Amino acid sequence: GENVEQHPSTLSVQEGDSAVIKCTYSDSASNYFPWYKQELGKRPQLIIDIRSNVGEKKDQRIAVTLNKTAKHFSLHITETQPEDSAVYFCAASAASGGSYIPTFGRGTSLIVHP
Amino acid sequence: GAVVSQHPSRVICKSGTSVKIECRSLDFQATTMFWYRQFPKQSLMLMATSNEGSKATYEQGVEKDKFLINHASLTLSTLTVTSAHPEDSSFYICSARDTSTNEKLFFGSGTQLSVL
Repeated sequence: GENVEQHPSTLSVQEGDSAVIKCTYSDSASNYFPWYKQELGKRPQLIIDIRSNVGEKKDQRIAVTLNKTAKHFSLHITETQPEDSAVYFCAASAASGGSYIPTFGRGTSLIVHP
Repeated sequence: GAVVSQHPSRVICKSGTSVKIECRSLDFQATTMFWYRQFPKQSLMLMATSNEGSKATYEQGVEKDKFLINHASLTLSTLTVTSAHPEDSSFYICSARDTSTNEKLFFGSGTQLSVL
C-alpha cells in the first residue's frame, strides 16, 4: 500500500518568514495530493491540492509543488502569520476500484511566533 | 463549501456500553465515507472505508465486530463502538467524499469519546 512520510514534525518560524513542509510517497500510482490544515480542536480543512499532471499550484500565500519522478511534494507558505499556526497534513491517493483512498502523513505542527 | 456534520461532538460513557456516532453530508452525496481515529498530536489513522449499500472495508488491526459501520444512505454513515472500554477513548473523525468529484474529502468536526 501507499506510505506517506512527512517532515518536519514540528516547525517554528517568525511571523513573516516562509515555511516549507515536505512529503514523500511510495506508490507511483498516486495522482492526487491534498493538504489539510487542522487547528486545535477543529476539523481538518482542505487548503490546497494538486494533481499529478501539474508541477506547481499557487493560491495567494500558499503553494504546492510536486515532483513525480522523485515522488515528493511540498507545501510552501510565504509571509506566515500567527493564524497560520496549526497542524498540517499531506496526503496521497490513487484510484482503487474507481475511488480514491487517501493516505495521510503524520502531520507537521507549525508555530508562527508574532 | 461542502459541509459534513458529525454528532455527538463529545460523549462520556461507562465501560461496557455502546456509543453511536453519526456522520452526515449535508449538501452533497457521499458514496464513500471514511472513519478515522486520532490520538493527541498524531495523524489521522484510517479505521475503515464505508461504502453506501455495502459492507465497510476495515483496515488491518481494526475489529469489525467492535466498530460497527453502517452506511445506509448516500448522506449518512454511522460508527458504533460496541462494549466500549477505556482504551477506546479517543477522537473519532469522519470524512466524506463528494461523489461528483470523487477526490475531495470533507471532514466532520470529530467526536471525543471518553470511556470511564
